[in-house]
Amino acid sequence: DTGVSQDPRHKITKRGQNVTFRCDPISEHNRLYWYRQTLGQGPEFLTYFQNEAQLEKSRLLSDRFSAERPKGSFSTLEIQRTEQGDSAMYLCASSSELNRGFTDTQYFGPGTRLTVL
Amino acid sequence: LAKTTQPISMDSYEGQEVNITCSHNNIATNDYITWYQQFPSQGPRFIIQGYKTKVTNEVASLFIPADRKSSTLSLPRVSLSDTAVYYCLVGDGRRGSTLGRLYFGRGTQLTVWP
Repeated sequence: DTGVSQDPRHKITKRGQNVTFRCDPISEHNRLYWYRQTLGQGPEFLTYFQNEAQLEKSRLLSDRFSAERPKGSFSTLEIQRTEQGDSAMYLCASSSELNRGFTDTQYFGPGTRLTVL
Repeated sequence: LAKTTQPISMDSYEGQEVNITCSHNNIATNDYITWYQQFPSQGPRFIIQGYKTKVTNEVASLFIPADRKSSTLSLPRVSLSDTAVYYCLVGDGRRGSTLGRLYFGRGTQLTVWP
């Protein structure tokens, strides 16, 4: 399977701990996105990379959150000093710019479910 | 970015056609309309995308009227496995735009009954 993969699938941590998630996009995709989804809501955009450059960050991404994509391939999302409000599903998506100029079709991974106790 | 409005939930029975309508009154000239499907504990999955008139693929059809202020996702002959949340999104279709991020609303929970 050459889809988007995320690791771990589940993470339980105590309040105040740091956590790091990994996303491996589809190999030929140059765009990578992070979203957060809470129960009953649709995914909310967090940040966007084109190759290794982080081009956009949502105001949802507080100073405790940092994302990297050092070689333009996999990406990591780190949350420092976790809070109970950080409990959510963290989704990664990737896409490739289409020649026709359509809005990118984004392919999502299975997500990492974070529970902060 | 254009905001979308869609029903919170819909019910159907196996074998029926389901139409989910989405309103996007403030859609911009460069915006495309895209629908995603999401099953519990999975990431959203692309279903269909269009700009105007009608688009059809192997799983769904998308109807977009001339004013583009609404769109309708049509699922023919649904089965139990079509039970999922369906999201309607509008996004900027300009090449190279950094506005490719997607804005999801709460979506429509479709429940298919036997």
